[in-house]
Amino acid sequence: NAGVTQTPKFQVLKTGQSMTLQCAQDMNHEYMSWYRQDPGMGLRLIHYSVGAGITDQGEVPNGYNVSRSTTEDFPLRLLSAAPSQTSVYFCASSYSLSGTGSRGYTFGSGTRLTVV
Amino acid sequence: AQSVTQPDIHITVSEGASLELRCNYSYGATPYLFWYVQSPGQGLQLLLKYFSGDTLVQGIKGFEAEFKRSQSSFNLRKPSVHWSDAAEYFCAVGAMEYGNKLVFGAGTILRVKS
Repeated sequence: NAGVTQTPKFQVLKTGQSMTLQCAQDMNHEYMSWYRQDPGMGLRLIHYSVGAGITDQGEVPNGYNVSRSTTEDFPLRLLSAAPSQTSVYFCASSYSLSGTGSRGYTFGSGTRLTVV
Repeated sequence: AQSVTQPDIHITVSEGASLELRCNYSYGATPYLFWYVQSPGQGLQLLLKYFSGDTLVQGIKGFEAEFKRSQSSFNLRKPSVHWSDAAEYFCAVGAMEYGNKLVFGAGTILRVKS
């Protein structure tokens, strides 16, 4: 089925470790983004991309890095994990930056990350 | 700065009763608005959206929402709730003047009593 695929679904890291959360979409969407979801805070934008080779920071970019070498993939890298990065991470894609297309933003099922 | 407020953290309704979830925004521009639903352990699914035209919009699963510019609100409604509607609901707002980046509310958790 077409959609956004995130891996892994669950991950436990030790403080200071690095890792990459994977996100892939097969809908040929130009716009992709990463959010983190924390209780009582909704979703906050980490980084986004408006096309291959173009990325920009969102609301909470510190401690995260992204790149967009292909239209399909948008990995999120944690450079040196901290307990404050314990969260659920969602990747989303849309054919338009505004998400006003017929399907809005399509979200992956999330990665639950715990940093100990 | 732009913000989105969902005043109710939790709402409990009886099955078959009507539902209204509130969303208020603070934007210095003409916004476009979304409601998303999230079932436990799942990603977000689009219920409906508004960006222009008729201020009463219909969505999936029998939901509707009304954009009221004078009240800066975009409340979500359903006339008769089903047990399967139990989930968390998020309002999101964006505007071209703010780079089209969406700002999400904190969410409202809906519980349905049988």
